[in-house]
Amino acid sequence: DAKTTQPNSMESNEEEPVHLPCNHSTISGTDYIHWYRQLPSQGPEYVIHGLTSNVNNRMASLAIAEDRKSSTLILHRATLRDAAVYYCILSHIQGAQKLVFGQGTRLTINP
Amino acid sequence: DGGITQSPKYLFRKEGQNVTLSCEQNLNHDAMYWYRQDPGQGLRLIYYSQIVNDFQKGDIAEGYSVSREKKESFPLTVTSAQKNPTAFYLCASSTPGTAGRSSYEQYFGPGTRLTVT
Repeated sequence: DAKTTQPNSMESNEEEPVHLPCNHSTISGTDYIHWYRQLPSQGPEYVIHGLTSNVNNRMASLAIAEDRKSSTLILHRATLRDAAVYYCILSHIQGAQKLVFGQGTRLTINP
Repeated sequence: DGGITQSPKYLFRKEGQNVTLSCEQNLNHDAMYWYRQDPGQGLRLIYYSQIVNDFQKGDIAEGYSVSREKKESFPLTVTSAQKNPTAFYLCASSTPGTAGRSSYEQYFGPGTRLTVT
């Protein structure tokens, strides 16, 4: 399975944008890029996914580099409820989705 | 409401005892998964099942067993052979991807925190 590299932690202020980077230099052509987040003592929650083009949804935006070796999750206006561990994961497109979670990025939001 | 339920939320057992964790979903998803999470770590896949009566080992299946007799249920048994069973266990489900379309989203339950002493 292709691996991802994320910073261990990041900090931002409430109501400011947050850019969470992820490197995946060994990504294959059939790998989708997924982002999940996990609040303390809860199960992970899907945030967004993409293949080649940038993606937007109600939670966040995903910017994917042209060579697909890196991506950035963008929270446009962080709130205190966005404080969580964010995981960047690669997964194949077919069949059961075997997600491989790294340690993720612990995001702290300051009031 | 549709979702995944895991019970109980906290479970305590003595060493040497087998224990079964429950996972039920009413999302009509074909695929189900069990993960384990240790403090400060990411999730690791234990077992997964794509359809009823079929399941495959994940990355850390030793000491665990599962069954998939019904589409909505995927119980996990932590056996006495599991050397470090104390952990946070998470169940998830998804609709398997097909050619040209990723399943893209796993729905996770609230988890069961197992403590073995």
